[in-house]
Amino acid sequence: DAKTTQPPSMDCAEGRAANLPCNHSTISGNEYVYWYRQIHSQGPQYIIHGLKNNETNEMASLIITEDRKSSTLILPHATLRDTAVYYCIVSRQTSGSRLTFGEGTQLTVNP
Amino acid sequence: DTEVTQTPKHLVMGMTNKKSLKCEQHMGHRAMYWYKQKAKKPPELMFVYSYEKLSINESVPSRFSPECPNSSLLNLHLHALQPEDSALYLCASSHSGLANNEQFFGPGTRLTVL
Repeated sequence: DAKTTQPPSMDCAEGRAANLPCNHSTISGNEYVYWYRQIHSQGPQYIIHGLKNNETNEMASLIITEDRKSSTLILPHATLRDTAVYYCIVSRQTSGSRLTFGEGTQLTVNP
Repeated sequence: DTEVTQTPKHLVMGMTNKKSLKCEQHMGHRAMYWYKQKAKKPPELMFVYSYEKLSINESVPSRFSPECPNSSLLNLHLHALQPEDSALYLCASSHSGLANNEQFFGPGTRLTVL
């Protein structure tokens, strides 16, 4: 599985957009970009995933560059409850495939 | 029911004990996973079951023994653990086949080995 690189920490003001970057320069053609988050002392939570097109759901938007070597997760209006570690993971689409978690980005949303 | 449940929430055991962790889901998922998470570190995959058969073992020591008795249940049997095995053990499940790899995680079992 391709490796990912994320900044270790980021801050965001409540109500503002949080933009979390991820580099995955060795991604292969059949690998998707997944984003999960883990709020302290809870299990990880799926946020969104994509292959090459931008994706949006009720939680977030995912922007993937044309060369697929990097992506950005956007939380449009961050709240205090969005404070968590955010993991960018590259994985095959198939269920039963590995999710290899990197160190992630600790996002702190400040009042 | 869109939940993965894990029992117990906390477990303290000695190095000579035998214990089991239990994970259950009723979402019809046919892939189930065990992860281990040390403090301030990301989760690390241990095992994957697909259609009740072990498909991935990430070179986990034999003192950890997984079992998938049916499509809803996943166990992790523990024997002769070491203090360094103390961690949060997370279970997850996902849809089968070519569905996306969105995994649903349980809250975990916090294990302390004395």
